[in-house]
Amino acid sequence: GIQVEQSPPDLILQEGANSTLRCNFSDSVNNLQWFHQNPWGQLINLFYIPSGTKQNGRLSATTVATERYSLLYISSSQTTDSGVYFCAVFYTGGFKTIFGAGTRLFVKA
Amino acid sequence: NAGVTQTPKFQVLKTGQSMTLQCAQDMNHNSMYWYRQDPGMGLRLIYYSASEGTTDKGEVPNGYNVSRLNKREFSLRLESAAPSQTSVYFCASSDGRGVDTGELFFGEGSRLTVL
Repeated sequence: GIQVEQSPPDLILQEGANSTLRCNFSDSVNNLQWFHQNPWGQLINLFYIPSGTKQNGRLSATTVATERYSLLYISSSQTTDSGVYFCAVFYTGGFKTIFGAGTRLFVKA
Repeated sequence: NAGVTQTPKFQVLKTGQSMTLQCAQDMNHNSMYWYRQDPGMGLRLIYYSASEGTTDKGEVPNGYNVSRLNKREFSLRLESAAPSQTSVYFCASSDGRGVDTGELFFGEGSRLTVL
């Protein structure tokens, strides 16, 4: 089946630093979504991005479907950015989704 | 708008007991999903319902049953709970049309402990 790998698994940043999170997938996908799971366990939608680039404030995402990867950029990080970032891919032609194992981010004040 | 609502938020069961997790969405979405999340892991799909009247197995369906009661509601049942089913369960919905799943929206999760 399709494999989804996220890197790095863990990341510690000083407040104000920038970072790039990566999501690689092993097969063609219908779509891709990025989530932030906050320390209280809530899953927050960040981007729904099958291809191209989207921006929302300090966050942006780029998906290159032909090369099977997506990147999430966090600029000027804040302590509230801490948590786990997941990418999820949607199988081509189906409704099944596969989540990566996540990148655990801790932003120090 | 409440979005996706799950009940209960917390539940403790003994091995062999049964229970049903309820999920309702008010976004008029066609598709609904149940996932489980184990410590330190991503979410794994248990079952999904692409549209009202249909359900299909996901990655980890064993030990679970589902019912798409109507367009708004999708329930997950554990007939005989086992300690391996201790997890956090998330319900989600999306405005799926055809083969396009649409953006997933999640509930707040239900933490289940099986002793």
